[in-house]
Amino acid sequence: QSVLTQPPSVSGAPGQRVTISCTGSSSNIGAGYDVHWYQQLPGTAPKLLIYGNSNRPSGVPDRFSGSKSGTSASLAITGLQAEDEADYYCQSYDSSLGGLYVFGTGTKVTVL
Amino acid sequence: QVQLVESGGGLVKPGGSLRLSCAASEFTFSDYYMSWIRQPPGKGLEWVSYISSSDSAIYYAGSVKGRFTISRDNAKNSLYLQMNSLRAEDTAVYYCARGPVGSRFDPWGQGTLVTVSS
Repeated sequence: QSVLTQPPSVSGAPGQRVTISCTGSSSNIGAGYDVHWYQQLPGTAPKLLIYGNSNRPSGVPDRFSGSKSGTSASLAITGLQAEDEADYYCQSYDSSLGGLYVFGTGTKVTVL
Repeated sequence: QVQLVESGGGLVKPGGSLRLSCAASEFTFSDYYMSWIRQPPGKGLEWVSYISSSDSAIYYAGSVKGRFTISRDNAKNSLYLQMNSLRAEDTAVYYCARGPVGSRFDPWGQGTLVTVSS
């Protein structure tokens, strides 16, 4: 049902850089709507990580960064740490029928 | 800090009803749109519904339209979700979230589990 596609999993060693892609279409990301990213630690509620494509809320480390181009967006984590092991979801607005706000399929980040 | 606390989840039979509540604190509840977002066990997130600050605008995902009703009581700083004609596929953790604010949701409550099973 998700209209935003993410890779199921990515992994990296501590200190490495990983990126997560979020692919949409002309009715959501490609239409110019903002992309937001959420981090969901095991057993907890999602937490806003990046908003408005590339902005970090207060308290979010600058190891996390976001970008957007065309019909896709990306989340980068540099200097990967063990506490970054979590599920990550992108989210945007969609102008097509069926739902106003859409989430990505989710990506599990594993720290090796 | 801003806090959202959901309640009302539980086990219900297919076709049954359940009402979820979300108590908000530490922010001016009446100023914000509020939403319900759900997550089936082991699966991804699905936006369910939102209600504007004065409940003049209400929207639902197609999967729940006609069965679920969102409402709010600004005097009680509370958000509600009345769920009728429940189906097995409605089984999920239901989160209350502030927003959309600029199309994002922040923060989220801890969630309440709804299980639809005979």
